[in-house]
Amino acid sequence: SAVISQKPSRDICQRGTSLTIQCQVDSQVTMMFWYRQQPGQSLTLIATANQGSEATYESGFVIDKFPISRPNLTFSTLTVSNMSPEDSSIYLCSVGGRSNQPQHFGDGTRLSIL
Amino acid sequence: QQPVQSPQAVILREGEDAVINCSSSKALYSVHWYRQKHGEAPVFLMILLKGGEQKGHEKISASFNEKKQQSSLYLTASQLSYSGTYFCGTEGNTDKLIFGTGTRLQVFP
Repeated sequence: SAVISQKPSRDICQRGTSLTIQCQVDSQVTMMFWYRQQPGQSLTLIATANQGSEATYESGFVIDKFPISRPNLTFSTLTVSNMSPEDSSIYLCSVGGRSNQPQHFGDGTRLSIL
Repeated sequence: QQPVQSPQAVILREGEDAVINCSSSKALYSVHWYRQKHGEAPVFLMILLKGGEQKGHEKISASFNEKKQQSSLYLTASQLSYSGTYFCGTEGNTDKLIFGTGTRLQVFP
């Protein structure tokens, strides 16, 4: 199974600032996914990141707020822009999950906004 | 639309059994099950594909009713290590998983 390294593991940020989360996979993958998990809630898909094309965002998420980069087949970043306390969540990157493939997750980034 | 899981929470004694249900309003290609312990990332348990059923993990098994767009996860002779929140993840005709509302399971000695 894929090994996913995500960083930072946690951060405390001031409102109005931005934070970039990095996700590195130990093998080449076509699609990478970014999820948000608010306290005590389920995982909500933010966007799908394909190498060489614009990310595909889910309803309720926009590129200006969550810009994503996918420069190669093993790496992606998610930026949380102009943060407010409502952005306090765990952000997870993942790979797989299509057809008969398990989905594997990074350890997550625990973000708190003051 | 997010799949709905029931029950929302379950409390068990070691050795007891439990069933967790996952229901979708959309046609499904596959159903995944994951367990998440507090402060950790979700961990894959098993996948059920349309037209098949798989057992994937210890004393945990699952079923998939394509016509009803439902899946059930069966935990038998529960162990303390089974505690956590269980999520189903459903795949329709798109290349992405949509996770269910979650079921919190607590197993006590």
